Amino acid sequence: NAGVTQTPKFQVLKTGQSMTLQCAQDMNHNSMYWYRQDPGMGLRLIYYSASEGTTDKGEVPNGYNVSRLNKREFSLRLESAAPSQTSVYFCASSGLWGGGETQYFGPGTRLLVL
Amino acid sequence: AQTVTQSQPEMSVQEAETVTLSCTYDTSESDYYLFWYKQPPSRQMILVIRQEAYKQQNATENRFSVNFQKAAKSFSLKISDSQLGDAAMYFCAYILNAGNMLTFGGGTRLMVKP
Repeated sequence: NAGVTQTPKFQVLKTGQSMTLQCAQDMNHNSMYWYRQDPGMGLRLIYYSASEGTTDKGEVPNGYNVSRLNKREFSLRLESAAPSQTSVYFCASSGLWGGGETQYFGPGTRLLVL
Repeated sequence: AQTVTQSQPEMSVQEAETVTLSCTYDTSESDYYLFWYKQPPSRQMILVIRQEAYKQQNATENRFSVNFQKAAKSFSLKISDSQLGDAAMYFCAYILNAGNMLTFGGGTRLMVKP
C-alpha cells in the first residue's frame, strides 16, 4: 500500500514548455486534489476532483489544467510554464467529499521554471 | 473568506520539554474541522491531529494534544516530551464540513534542541 505517489520528484522547465505531473492513489479514495506550496507559505488548492469524472477549480487555477483519468489517477498539466509556477506541487486524496475527511498527501514534485 | 493565522514563524524547545504552537482562524461557519499537519525536511505532509468543531473534547494523539477554543476561534497544538524527530514545519489547516478546500496557515518552524 503505497498511499499517494507522484511523478516526477523534480523537474526543471524553460519558460513556455509544457509538462504533466502525475498522481496516483491506491486507497480507493473518491476525491483527489492538487495543491501548490510556495516558499514560506502553506498549501493552496489549484484544482480538485470530488469524484471520478468531475473536476473543479480551486483557489489558484490559472495556468493549469487537470484530468481525472480514472478513480486512481489525477494529473496536472502546465500548458505553457511561467517562472511564477516555480513551486512544490502536492497531490492529495480523501475517502469522501466533504465531512471533514482527512486528506492524505503525496511526497510532492519540485518544479523549477527558468 | 476563511483565513488561518499562525503568529509564530519559529519556535524552539528543549528536548523532553513541552511546547505549544498557536493557531487562530476566522470563519462565519459553525460546522468545520481543524487539522495540524507536520512537514519535515523531506517535505512530506503528515497528519498530526484532527478536531471536529462540534466536539467539545480536545483531541489527543499520544504526545500531541490540542486546545480548541471555538468561541475564540483558537486551535493550539501542544507537544509534550519533545523529541528531535519533532523538528519540522507545522501547519494548521481548516476545512468546512461541506467544503472542498483545506485552508492552511503560514506555518511555524519548530526547532528541537538536544
